[in-house]
Amino acid sequence: GEDVEQSLFLSVREGDSSVINCTYTDSSSTYLYWYKQEPGAGLQLLTYIFSNMDMKQDQRLTVLLNKKDKHLSLRIADTQTGDSAIYFCAEKNSGGYQKVTFGTGTKLQVIP
Amino acid sequence: DGGITQSPKYLFRKEGQNVTLSCEQNLNHDAMYWYRQDPGQGLRLIYYSQIVNDFQKGDIAEGYSVSREKKESFPLTVTSAQKNPTAFYLCASSMSTGRDTEAFFGQGTRLTVV
Repeated sequence: GEDVEQSLFLSVREGDSSVINCTYTDSSSTYLYWYKQEPGAGLQLLTYIFSNMDMKQDQRLTVLLNKKDKHLSLRIADTQTGDSAIYFCAEKNSGGYQKVTFGTGTKLQVIP
Repeated sequence: DGGITQSPKYLFRKEGQNVTLSCEQNLNHDAMYWYRQDPGQGLRLIYYSQIVNDFQKGDIAEGYSVSREKKESFPLTVTSAQKNPTAFYLCASSMSTGRDTEAFFGQGTRLTVV
């Protein structure tokens, strides 16, 4: 079945760039997503990328997709303390239901 | 304001009891979902519904039940058959499962068995 893997924890200093990585196994993925979850809250969609794209940039966020290696990354430029949260990678397949599979989440800690 | 609302935010259940978690949306979305979140395991799909009066099991449906009598409501019942129900439960909705549209999440319900 589908599998999405992320490292559990990342710590960066305020002002530095953060890079959160994700790998997935489903070669039929059509869309890949990054969600942000603040403590005790639901998930908020940050950005998504089509599987036929290599890169997408949105203000401080840059998403890179290596479809050959099934590797997705989220770069946050000039990381701020408000960026501290859990970041989930997710992929949607091209099957009949188009199920979304989430990764384990990466907890980003920003040190002032 | 449009959105998706879960209630209650915190819920305590005694062992052996059934409990129902509420999820309501006023976004006119066709599809609704229930996920369970455990530390270090990401989100796992419990049930989903593409349309009123229809729903399908997700990856971990055992011990749970749902209904979809109205478009805006998708309650989840955690039954006594669920062996480890303590978790954070998230409800989501989207325009349709057949198109790439954003899933909107509720704020979650934290269920604790005491």
